[in-house]
Amino acid sequence: ETGVTQSPTHLIKTRGQQVTLRCSSQSGHNTVSWYQQALGQGPQFIFQYYREEENGRGNFPPRFSGLQFPNYSSELNVNALELDDSALYLCASSLTGDAKNIQYFGAGTRLSVL
Amino acid sequence: AQSVTQLGSHVSVSEGALVLLRCNYSSSVPPYLFWYVQYPNQGLQLLLKYTSAATLVKGINGFEAEFKKSETSFHLTKPSAHMSDAAEYFCAVTLSGTYKYIFGTGTRLKVLA
Repeated sequence: ETGVTQSPTHLIKTRGQQVTLRCSSQSGHNTVSWYQQALGQGPQFIFQYYREEENGRGNFPPRFSGLQFPNYSSELNVNALELDDSALYLCASSLTGDAKNIQYFGAGTRLSVL
Repeated sequence: AQSVTQLGSHVSVSEGALVLLRCNYSSSVPPYLFWYVQYPNQGLQLLLKYTSAATLVKGINGFEAEFKKSETSFHLTKPSAHMSDAAEYFCAVTLSGTYKYIFGTGTRLKVLA
């Protein structure tokens, strides 16, 4: 158990809808990263939040957005869902934004877009 | 830019046999390297990490990996496979001062009785 919790565990949406995924980071961690893992692929970096500010972003369109709250929990929002957004979304927390720090992953939210 | 290549999307070994999962990286500066394991319907669990200390890194569950700069490799090994080792394994690379991990496409390990 890493102490990183994600909700919900599963979600089914239809194309064009909006979705919000939630993540509670491990105690003492101020950095949260989000990854998308498509079936049969490795996780792809979406973005990272450090002390409530976006600290970096991967190659994802603006309809993927996020928030980090004062308690360092985080949300991932996806607007105008597309079929290709179907994936496992993983949240990872770490002590700081420097990548030498281990990222601890939650169990993920599996999103299905129909 | 960094990248990771995992050779062999599927590897099968007999129980008790040596496990060897291959990972090659590309980086212009010394990287940090990680191996993670993912069991079905679960998130990623860290097995071990290399952050420029000893080149032979020991991890959990009897796994170890050796950083070889000349070969740009970080292969994962375990002397004797156990049924519980069946899972998907991901190699990841990153650099100090950056903020993201770059993952390989994964290797699914099957352990045969």
